[in-house]
Amino acid sequence: GAGVSQSPSNKVTEKGKDVELRCDPISGHTALYWYRQSLGQGLEFLIYFQGNSAPDKSGLPSDRFSAERTGGSVSTLTIQRTQQEDSAVYLCASSLASSGGAANTQYFGPGTRLTVL
Amino acid sequence: DQQVKQNSPSLSVQEGRISILNCDYTNSMFDYFLWYKKYPAEGPTFLISISSIKDKNEDGRFTVFLNKSAKHLSLHIVPSQPGDSAVYFCAASGDFGNEKLTFGTGTRLTIIP
Repeated sequence: GAGVSQSPSNKVTEKGKDVELRCDPISGHTALYWYRQSLGQGLEFLIYFQGNSAPDKSGLPSDRFSAERTGGSVSTLTIQRTQQEDSAVYLCASSLASSGGAANTQYFGPGTRLTVL
Repeated sequence: DQQVKQNSPSLSVQEGRISILNCDYTNSMFDYFLWYKKYPAEGPTFLISISSIKDKNEDGRFTVFLNKSAKHLSLHIVPSQPGDSAVYFCAASGDFGNEKLTFGTGTRLTIIP
């Protein structure tokens, strides 16, 4: 079956440009999460969607970061005026629900490697 | 404030022996714990999980143990195989209303043939 997919797999951009990263979750998964992994670091939570709403945006590092989800499916993470410290692997995950326990087992996509020059 | 800690950045184990990966956490509100395995250039792959109401969960060669009083969990792999070489992340979630995962920094496991 289809897993979580992300595009592009790699993105190189210049400082100051805007970028959009896309995530297609597993069909039927209502919860969607964005994380990032900077070099030598663990995975850091960015934002969580339940359906199309984002009850928790607490992990977004600055107001240059935003995300949306439409139709309870595809999500886009947008970074405006990129900075070099935004360079990281951005990972998307989805789960059946967010009600806790096994229903929250999150399945990850392959990630988008963002490099800001 | 690192709420989930994996204090061993790397571990080498002989093929066929047992691999034991450790994880400690500080937040007593965590009630669900997971282990993920990650190969280079791929996303993390779910391996095994355990609820806080249990102290052991087994799936084939993989067993996770949870010691709530010590806020410690471990992943046992036996017998270890070369394909197990990867980075292993411990993660935890709790009843915070969103079930976001808090990850450790990972342990790189190398299985020596």
